[in-house]
Amino acid sequence: EVQLVQSGAEVKKPGESLKISCKGSGYSFTSDWIGWVRQLPGKGLEWMGHIYTGDSSTRYSPSFQGQVTISADKSISTAYVQWDSLKASDTAMYYCARLRNCGRDCYFDFWGQGTLVTVSS
Amino acid sequence: DIVMTQTPLSSPVTLGQPASISCTSSQSLAHSNGDTYLSWLQQRPGQPPRVLIYKISNRFSGVPDRFSGSGAGTDFTLKISRVEAEDVGVYYCMQTTHFPYTFGQGTKLEIK
Repeated sequence: EVQLVQSGAEVKKPGESLKISCKGSGYSFTSDWIGWVRQLPGKGLEWMGHIYTGDSSTRYSPSFQGQVTISADKSISTAYVQWDSLKASDTAMYYCARLRNCGRDCYFDFWGQGTLVTVSS
Repeated sequence: DIVMTQTPLSSPVTLGQPASISCTSSQSLAHSNGDTYLSWLQQRPGQPPRVLIYKISNRFSGVPDRFSGSGAGTDFTLKISRVEAEDVGVYYCMQTTHFPYTFGQGTKLEIK
């Protein structure tokens, strides 16, 4: 069974750094892309970027380029998104999702449960 | 960026009745390889999104057959043949043909 399990909720202050994780299991972690999606409180979904876990190739949305860093450690089947200096506007739910077979099907088939990030002074 | 526009934004539906959501893209979603990467997702209250339909009309494993997708080019539709209580939530279309990937703004399905 494919599963993506994300790290727990975080409460941070503006200016602090943060790295949240997404651990995959039940499939070959290095064979697909893992994407990150932001959901601001009460709002819709935004694609942030994704990483090919086989070689750590990344692709970012222009809206998030330079604002976050997406990485992966294939030895522990885990993808990450990190912020160097959080802002209050980063307060949101963050989801990871597997991007299936881009080049053939190309859709997000399995999703993590979400990580709520709250940034407040 | 490709703008995905959904209508309606809110859809009150009677149980057992059909529902339909439209999604229009600002550019064709046909990829150079001939495929069209338009998917539909459902987000129930308090839950992560889950995929219902991919590549316009392919139902994901385990999705009830009352859900169907259709369309081509820039115009797409999600239909629910008979709405059930568990269908309450927000529905999003999403395109993964062009970078950056983009979502529709969401359609809230509620029971009358």
